[in-house]
Amino acid sequence: NAGVTQTPKFQVLKTGQSMTLQCAQDMNHEYMSWYRQDPGMGLRLIHYSVGAGITDQGEVPNGYNVSRSTTEDFPLRLLSAAPSQTSVYFCASSYRKLNYGYTFGSGTRLTVV
Amino acid sequence: DQQVKQNSPSLSVQEGRISILNCDYTNSMFDYFLWYKKYPAEGPTFLISISSIKDKNEDGRFTVFLNKSAKHLSLHIVPSQPGDSAVYFCAAKETSGSRLTFGEGTQLTVNP
Repeated sequence: NAGVTQTPKFQVLKTGQSMTLQCAQDMNHEYMSWYRQDPGMGLRLIHYSVGAGITDQGEVPNGYNVSRSTTEDFPLRLLSAAPSQTSVYFCASSYRKLNYGYTFGSGTRLTVV
Repeated sequence: DQQVKQNSPSLSVQEGRISILNCDYTNSMFDYFLWYKKYPAEGPTFLISISSIKDKNEDGRFTVFLNKSAKHLSLHIVPSQPGDSAVYFCAAKETSGSRLTFGEGTQLTVNP
């Protein structure tokens, strides 16, 4: 049982480049989310999904796109990378009831130069 | 507008003593609260939670207290162990919501 798998673990991008952060879960969770962690700011919600085909914006959605074509996958796309997007990104998933909160992946450390 | 706040960025405690981590919230619609623990280079892991209909929940060495009138929750770790050294996040969920709102985190250091 792999849980939540994020790839890549590390990435360096140049300003203006685009890329996709991958996230997959094998627990048949309905809910999936993307957070970014920055020093002193905790975890901030970028986008989330309550099921396949349904996505919505979180607190800091600008510069990011998501889609949820299957229950398992929830990729995060950076359209045109900026230095302000340097951060650690976490994908998370949960059952609808959220009794045990979200299960998080191990993160992707992204640096934009 | 920070709806969940952890005002102490860091806390240092001696092994065997009690660690108390605090969290305040402003949104009256929050009905479920969680604590997560995070080690460096790993994702956060769920620790303990509490529903707004309760004022206390206990799991081994970890106890969470909720004071709804003060919009305050705290996590007690007794006794503290060096392996508890990590960043602790509190999080909250709105009634019938699917999003978790996190605080800034508190770095706990337990000294041997």
